[in-house]
Amino acid sequence: AAGVIQSPRHLIKEKRETATLKCYPIPRHDTVYWYQQGPGQDPQFLISFYEKMQSDKGSIPDRFSAQQFSDYHSELNMSSLELGDSALYFCASSLRETQYFGPGTRLLVL
Amino acid sequence: GDSVTQMEGPVTLSEEAFLTINCTYTATGYPSLFWYVQYPGEGLQLLLKATKADDKGSNKGFEATYRKETTSFHLEKGSVQVSDSAVYFCALSPGDGNTGKLIFGQGTTLQVKP
Repeated sequence: AAGVIQSPRHLIKEKRETATLKCYPIPRHDTVYWYQQGPGQDPQFLISFYEKMQSDKGSIPDRFSAQQFSDYHSELNMSSLELGDSALYFCASSLRETQYFGPGTRLLVL
Repeated sequence: GDSVTQMEGPVTLSEEAFLTINCTYTATGYPSLFWYVQYPGEGLQLLLKATKADDKGSNKGFEATYRKETTSFHLEKGSVQVSDSAVYFCALSPGDGNTGKLIFGQGTTLQVKP
């Protein structure tokens, strides 16, 4: 069965640089979620989209923005990167209640 | 606000031992409850879920029952295997028309020794 696809899987950036993370949900899923998991931490909700409209917002810094496109893929844009942004970023998609997670993008900010 | 609390780890067991990982929650509405598992270097995989009180979720020998009276969703398995070694996250999705975001507990690391 098709799963959630995230790219890139690994990303290394310098401080103050910009990063773009991509997420391709499971076909026919209408909702996309983004989570951030710091080292040894639980995942924290960042933002979600339902039918291409932002549906909820969590602890997402103002330096981050996201959108969902007409083909339902989503991108998380991160600017002015800080060392503390180093984390695993998960995308999840759902049709109803159950969320299915992608493998994550591991971002390292140097 | 809504929250999830899990027992601290790591939990270390011998193969074939009985497993319990405690999870309690605080929620204002009627949440759905989930257990996710994360193997080293991998993403989160849904293990089981329960959407209303007294529901029992089960999968791969793991079970958890949604107990509204004790606000708990403890994970159990009768006989663990080395391959069960992973981090287990309890999570809730707030009810009452919420957009479905998941609120996770802090995770419990399980180590199973041969």
